[in-house]
Amino acid sequence: GESVGLHLPTLSVQEGDNSIINCAYSNSASDYFIWYKQESGKGPQFIIDIRSNMDKRQGQRVTVLLNKTVKHLSLQIAATQPGDSAVYFCAESRPGGGNKLTFGTGTQLKVEL
Amino acid sequence: DAGVIQSPRHEVTEMGQEVTLRCKPISGHDYLFWYRQTMMRGLELLIYFNNNVPIDDSGMPEDRFSAKMPNASFSTLKIQPSEPRDSAVYFCASSSQGSTNEKLFFGSGTQLSVL
Repeated sequence: GESVGLHLPTLSVQEGDNSIINCAYSNSASDYFIWYKQESGKGPQFIIDIRSNMDKRQGQRVTVLLNKTVKHLSLQIAATQPGDSAVYFCAESRPGGGNKLTFGTGTQLKVEL
Repeated sequence: DAGVIQSPRHEVTEMGQEVTLRCKPISGHDYLFWYRQTMMRGLELLIYFNNNVPIDDSGMPEDRFSAKMPNASFSTLKIQPSEPRDSAVYFCASSSQGSTNEKLFFGSGTQLSVL
């Protein structure tokens, strides 16, 4: 069935290193992708998004890469900080989906000091 | 703007009791979503509204769950009767069709424990 999934449930990185969180999707009709960060006890917070007509988008310390050929997107966090420790979700939507997002299962990012 | 506001933050109830979760979306947003989050199933979309009208309720687990949106600034999710397997964090989110993307803004969630 159609799904949005993540490759790794847990990722541990050293403070200051770069982090890469991966996500695979299966529906080629998906045209909008978004990354959320969820800290313990809080709701998901928007990080960055990208449309299917782009393959890269940069924000502050974060970059999202989209490879439509293999239906894969990644979130890169530069100079990872302890405050980046959280669960990261990718989500996708498709035309006619009525603003509805389908979420992946999440990756736990742990930043080690 | 205060963001999406949910109440209560925590709810502990006994099996069989009625539970009502409340949500106030961001002013001006015309989409409202209810999600449930568990360790086993992650974030699941239960139902969403557009301009106060339910559009897709296919994610509602069963008839014990119902949701209403009587006006643009208020929505409820009701579980009657509640069961232990309903224990989860329930999130409300809103978005605007007028924006250029489908970015959802989430509330802080209601942690529901059914004993």
